Amino acid sequence: TQLLEQSPQFLSIQEGENLTVYCNSSSVFSSLQWYRQEPGEGPVLLVTVVTGGEVKKLKRLTFQFGDARKDSSLHITAAQPGDTGLYLCAGGAAGNKLTFGGGTRVLVKP
Amino acid sequence: EAGVAQSPRYKIIEKRQSVAFWCNPISGHATLYWYQQILGQGPKLLIQFQNNGVVDDSQLPKDRFSAERLKGVDSTLKIQPAKLEDSAVYLCASSLGWGSFGEKLFFGSGTQLSVL
Repeated sequence: TQLLEQSPQFLSIQEGENLTVYCNSSSVFSSLQWYRQEPGEGPVLLVTVVTGGEVKKLKRLTFQFGDARKDSSLHITAAQPGDTGLYLCAGGAAGNKLTFGGGTRVLVKP
Repeated sequence: EAGVAQSPRYKIIEKRQSVAFWCNPISGHATLYWYQQILGQGPKLLIQFQNNGVVDDSQLPKDRFSAERLKGVDSTLKIQPAKLEDSAVYLCASSLGWGSFGEKLFFGSGTQLSVL
């Protein structure tokens, strides 16, 4: 069974600060996705990375896939209250069978 | 474009009762997924359909859970009888293709089930 561990489990910061969320596994994934989930809603895809060492930027969010495709990180620069939510990483294997991590709950206080 | 529709949004039942959830995926999406998300955890795949065929149901507790996808469109997930540990949010998702890696999943808002 492929497992994804996310850290930290919870992060509370002030508006304007930076934060990094980590996603680690002992398994190699074909792809890795990051989702954000708000209370009472389903997860929404932020990005997909497929190449080891790949870096993608989405406005203030920077995503990195580890060289060995076993880990990933999400960095948010100058966080805003709208960034509050549950951040989930999901590793993809054959047949798009996604394995989700446990999530990191981020709270950005104004 | 209409998203993934799920109903009901909330359901409260007593243990040993039955419950059913309904999902209408995005039109034209071939693959449909049901996930269980327990409070404080990430979603766990219960079952994956490609059109009306089951691709993966390895984590579905088949003694009490059942699911079907009629005509490759709508889907229902049933629990009979429910246990306390079934309290969770049940998420339905769909994707356009046949499950190639890296494909985007579109999620519904989920059904929050409380078993008392």
